[in-house]
Order: sequence, then structure tokens, then C-alpha cells
Amino acid sequence: AQTVTQSQPEMSVQEAETVTLSCTYDTSESDYYLFWYKQPPSRQMILVIRQEAYKQQNATENRFSVNFQKAAKSFSLKISDSQLGDAAMYFCAYRSGSNFGNEKLTFGTGTRLTIIP
Amino acid sequence: NAGVMQNPRHLVRRRGQEARLRCSPMKGHSHVYWYRQLPEEGLKFMVYLQKENIIDESGMPKERFSAEFPKEGPSILRIQQVVRGDSAAYFCASSPPGRSNQPQHFGDGTRLSIL
Repeated sequence: AQTVTQSQPEMSVQEAETVTLSCTYDTSESDYYLFWYKQPPSRQMILVIRQEAYKQQNATENRFSVNFQKAAKSFSLKISDSQLGDAAMYFCAYRSGSNFGNEKLTFGTGTRLTIIP
Repeated sequence: NAGVMQNPRHLVRRRGQEARLRCSPMKGHSHVYWYRQLPEEGLKFMVYLQKENIIDESGMPKERFSAEFPKEGPSILRIQQVVRGDSAAYFCASSPPGRSNQPQHFGDGTRLSIL
């Protein structure tokens, strides 16, 4: 079974600075997808960024980028120019690419990000 | 352009009662996933359904929990004889039929509180 580990329960960063959230995963599959979700106090699940394992290029979405190290099974999220609205729980998630049609997600335990004004 | 709709947003039940949580997937989506989030934890997969079929229920507790996705109407997650430990946020997500490169779309969740 796949597992996702987020070793940082809490992180904080000064507004406008850069922060990196860590995520490692364990899988024997070669075809899979990785995601970062943001959960603000409203508890909505908001997709931040995703990465296909077959793509070597790291995904980027505006101020959010990932460092995907497939051999090391590492998938960290970098937030640049942190803003107050980035304060939230961040979850890393894994999805198999080989279970045709079954797209269930395996989540990590989350990192609570605090932005210091 | 409605997204995944879950209701109610909040549900309060006394121990021993039944809880019914509803999820209407996005238009055109026929796959539904239910997840449970216990306080201060990540989401845990419970069950994956397609219309009239349970495909994967590997994350469902063996007793008191059931799920359905009828041909017409929303998907229902049913918890019988609720206990304090069932207090959690329950999220539904949907995806289109077939293999998709698109991520799941989540509803806003139902927060279940057991008195």
C-alpha cells in the first residue's frame, strides 16, 4: 500500500518570504500522480498543484512550485512571496495511475502553515 | 456551473441515532469518493462508487457504515447507531467516467457532531 509522509506538523514564515513544505511517499508503482491541497479554516479542499510522475519537469502555478525527486520519492512544495491568505493546512496526496478508473487519494497528515505579518 | 454539493454542512446527532450525508457530484461526473477527516488529521479514503455500484470499499468500517449511489439522486453515506468516535468531517469528491488526468473535485464537506 502507498503511504504519504509529511514530517512537519507546523511551519511558519514571514510574509513575503519563501517556505518549503516537505512530503515523501512510498510506492512500488511507476505511474502515479502527486498533489498538494490547501485547506483553509473554512475547511474547503483546494487543489494547489499537481505533478504527473512521468513528467520530469517540476510543476509550477504562479507562486507555488514543486521539487519532484522521483528516485528519492520526494515531493516538496515551495511557496514564494508568502501572503496572509496562504495560511492553511497543506496536504500532500498520492494517486495511483494504474488502477483504471479508481482515483482514490492517499493523504499525508498535513502541515499547518502560519504566515507572520 | 455547480461544483460538488454536499448537504448538510453541519449535522448533529445523539449517540445511537442514524446519520445520512448526501453528495451530488459535478455535472457529467459519475464517480464518487467519500473521505473522512478526523480532528487534526488528514483525509482518509472510505469508499469509491459509480452509479449503482460500489467499486472499492476498502476504507469503510465493517459495521454501521454503508454507502450508495443510486441511478437517480445523490450518493448517500449512511452511519447507523452513531458513536462519539464518528464525529468528523466527511468529504465527497467526484471525477468523470473513465481514466482521467483531471484531479478530483471536492465538496465543502459535512461536519458530523455526535452528542
